[in-house]
Order: sequence, then structure tokens, then C-alpha cells
Amino acid sequence: KAGVTQTPRYLIKTRGQQVTLSCSPISGHRSVSWYQQTPGQGLQFLFEYFSETQRNKGNFPGRFSGRQFSNSRSEMNVSTLELGDSALYLCASSLETDRPGNTIYFGEGSWLTVV
Amino acid sequence: GDSVTQMEGPVTLSEEAFLTINCTYTATGYPSLFWYVQYPGEGLQLLLKATKADDKGSNKGFEATYRKETTSFHLEKGSVQVSDSAVYFCAQNNAGNMLTFGGGTRLMVKP
Repeated sequence: KAGVTQTPRYLIKTRGQQVTLSCSPISGHRSVSWYQQTPGQGLQFLFEYFSETQRNKGNFPGRFSGRQFSNSRSEMNVSTLELGDSALYLCASSLETDRPGNTIYFGEGSWLTVV
Repeated sequence: GDSVTQMEGPVTLSEEAFLTINCTYTATGYPSLFWYVQYPGEGLQLLLKATKADDKGSNKGFEATYRKETTSFHLEKGSVQVSDSAVYFCAQNNAGNMLTFGGGTRLMVKP
């Protein structure tokens, strides 16, 4: 069974630009969530999508957005990039249930560098 | 709010030494608890989990017991290997598919 797949793996953008990251969840998983990992702030929850609807949202500005498609694939977008947006962006997927004991599986991440 | 605190690293051990990485949590309700491991340049891999008090999660020689009375979920391994060198994250999930992570602990194992 293929794992969570994220593209692109590495990218460099300029301040002020926007970026779109893509995520394909494990087959059969309908919940997709996104996390940002930085040396200073650690791992922080961005948002979660289920059945094309945002179900939960972390404490990030509106420049960070996402969406989920009918095949459960997800994209996240960051507009008006700032230097502080440089981070590893991790996508995770899990089964549709939102029980706390649900196992959440992560992809390899997309490394974003803003210059 | 919910939070996870784990010991700061790096933790440096010799091969075959005993490992303990402390993790405590604060939460309303009864969260599930997880340990994830991150190898250099990679994403997070689930190491083990426990979903209720007194549960013991185990995998690849690592163990952690959900202690509700001390709100802890310490990671242990009896004999570490060089290949265990990585960053370890303790996390809780109290509602929905949202994980709250600790700051991570870097483990370095020397031959």
C-alpha cells in the first residue's frame, strides 16, 4: 500500500510569491491534515480536511489555505510568502473516523525555502 | 490548552545503553498518546501509540506506558543502536485528527 505522497519535495520561492503543495493520502483515507515544521516553532497543526470540507483549523493567518478534492487528494496554498514561511510542510492522512486513537500517517514532506 | 512537554536534547548514548526520553502532557479529557520518529531529511514515522490509561505501546524494542496519574508517556528502549539516531516526538490527540506535538528530542547513539 502506497504511503502519503507529497509533491514537490523541495522548492525555492521569492518573498511575495505564492506556492501550492500537493498531497495524495493513503488509499482509503479520507482525512487529510497539514502541519508546518520549523526549528523555532516545532510542529504545528495547520488544518484538516475531510470530505472536501475543512473540519479543523490551527492558528495560522489567512495566507495559509487548503482544499480537498473528491478523490481525497489535498492541496495547500500559501500566498504572499514571507521569509518566516520557510519550513517543512508535512501532510498526513488517516481514516475517516475522528476518534482520538486514530492513527495518523505522515508523508515525507515538502521543503519550502523563501528567499 | 492541550500541550506536550518532552525533555530537551540532544541525548547522547553509547550503543547498547538504556534509553529514556521523558514526555508529559496536559489535556482536558482523555487523549491518545503517540511517539513519532524523524530520521534526517525525512517525514514522521509512527513508532508506537497508546489510547487509554495503563496501555503500553511497543514497537522495534521501544516501549511507552500511558500513565494517567502522572500524565506521562515516557519512551524507553533497553539497548539502543546507532541506527536509532533520530529525533523523537511525543504527541497527543485529544479531538479529531489534530496532533499536538512536543518539541522533539534528538538522540545520538555512538558506536
